[in-house]
Amino acid sequence: DTAVSQTPKYLVTQMGNDKSIKCEQNLGHDTMYWYKQDSKKFLKIMFSYNNKELIINETVPNRFSPKSPDKAHLNLHINSLELGDSAVYFCASSQQTHSGRLYNEQFFGPGTRLTVL
Amino acid sequence: DQQVKQNSPSLSVQEGRISILNCDYTNSMFDYFLWYKKYPAEGPTFLISISSIKDKNEDGRFTVFLNKSAKHLSLHIVPSQPGDSAVYFCAASDGEYGNKLVFGAGTILRVKS
Repeated sequence: DTAVSQTPKYLVTQMGNDKSIKCEQNLGHDTMYWYKQDSKKFLKIMFSYNNKELIINETVPNRFSPKSPDKAHLNLHINSLELGDSAVYFCASSQQTHSGRLYNEQFFGPGTRLTVL
Repeated sequence: DQQVKQNSPSLSVQEGRISILNCDYTNSMFDYFLWYKKYPAEGPTFLISISSIKDKNEDGRFTVFLNKSAKHLSLHIVPSQPGDSAVYFCAASDGEYGNKLVFGAGTILRVKS
């Protein structure tokens, strides 16, 4: 009954490879996010999707391509992996509304630790 | 440029005493603030939040105080328990569509029994 799940939990790969990380939420939320936690431990937003529509793209290299097949899933595909891509990637979800400014907490998955060798 | 700063990398507190974690922000457009708690190898877990129209919000042992003029917020945990030992992240949002959260670097809290 995990709310936000990610697979895999660990991913070790060589430079230049292409890899994907999957995320699923069963909370019925309509907005999903990808965050990157780098070696300095900062959590920084990469992308946000609302109802399968991209709404935030934080100047992430175009080697990173999120895909949202439906509201419950947001996958992250990374092409031509580089050493600097090594980090922990967190998926999150929340429920947005359109009635003005609304604040909702985001629920995070357990993270995927990506190591590029 | 860090818009949300947690200047104390770590804090050590005796069980039963108060833990005070601090957070400063620079962006005056931020009007909603959250605290998350994170255990190793897990994702951040939402703890408590506060809107800029308030200066205090309580939830059990956790209280968040907001000083808008100083652009400062703090999380008080009373009494502290060993299970509170974790990394605490402060986050802020300007409430725009997309609900982007800007996080601080985190503070490691150790509660000693």
